[in-house]
Amino acid sequence: NAGVTQTPKFQVLKTGQSMTLQCAQDMNHNSMYWYRQDPGMGLRLIYYSASEGTTDKGEVPNGYNVSRLNKREFSLRLESAAPSQTSVYFCASRERDRAEKLFFGSGTQLSVL
Amino acid sequence: QKEVEQDPGPLSVPEGAIVSLNCTYSNSAFQYFMWYRQYSRKGPELLMYTYSSGNKEDGRFTAQVDKSSKYISLFIRDSQPSDSATYLCAMSARAGGTSYGKLTFGQGTILTVHP
Repeated sequence: NAGVTQTPKFQVLKTGQSMTLQCAQDMNHNSMYWYRQDPGMGLRLIYYSASEGTTDKGEVPNGYNVSRLNKREFSLRLESAAPSQTSVYFCASRERDRAEKLFFGSGTQLSVL
Repeated sequence: QKEVEQDPGPLSVPEGAIVSLNCTYSNSAFQYFMWYRQYSRKGPELLMYTYSSGNKEDGRFTAQVDKSSKYISLFIRDSQPSDSATYLCAMSARAGGTSYGKLTFGQGTILTVHP
């Protein structure tokens, strides 16, 4: 069982560079999420997709864009990376009627210099 | 003010101790209350959840929700070194609401259980 797969695991960018974080789930879940985790801040929601074809902003969407490519895949793009986007990024998915249970990937550690 | 507040610790206890972890919240629409456990360099995993108020027990773990005080707790009995992790509380509104399924997390408490 792969669950939620994120790539890459580590990335170093220079300020102003762009990149896309990839996420795929094999559990046939409708909803998918992108969170970032910073020390002392917990997990903060960037964007989410309630179902294929829909995306909505979360708590901290500025500087990010997302694409729900199909039911399996949900990507997060940084168009012009900034040092403030240095963080650990987690993708997650959820079953339709299980509000409480998110399945998380193992994270992408991103450093922006 | 954050919607969910959690003391980040860190908390260090000897093996066998009873651990108490707590969160407070301000949004009265929250109906689902969860505790996630996160080991170092891993994604969080659901440990326990409670719908609305009350207690729930699972082995050495007990989750409590007091909606009148907007306060939730996780107790770990007979703590083990393998319990060393970051514990995150999380909350979600009820089905049908715009926030359904969008979990709001606390800051996380780093717990170390030493032998």
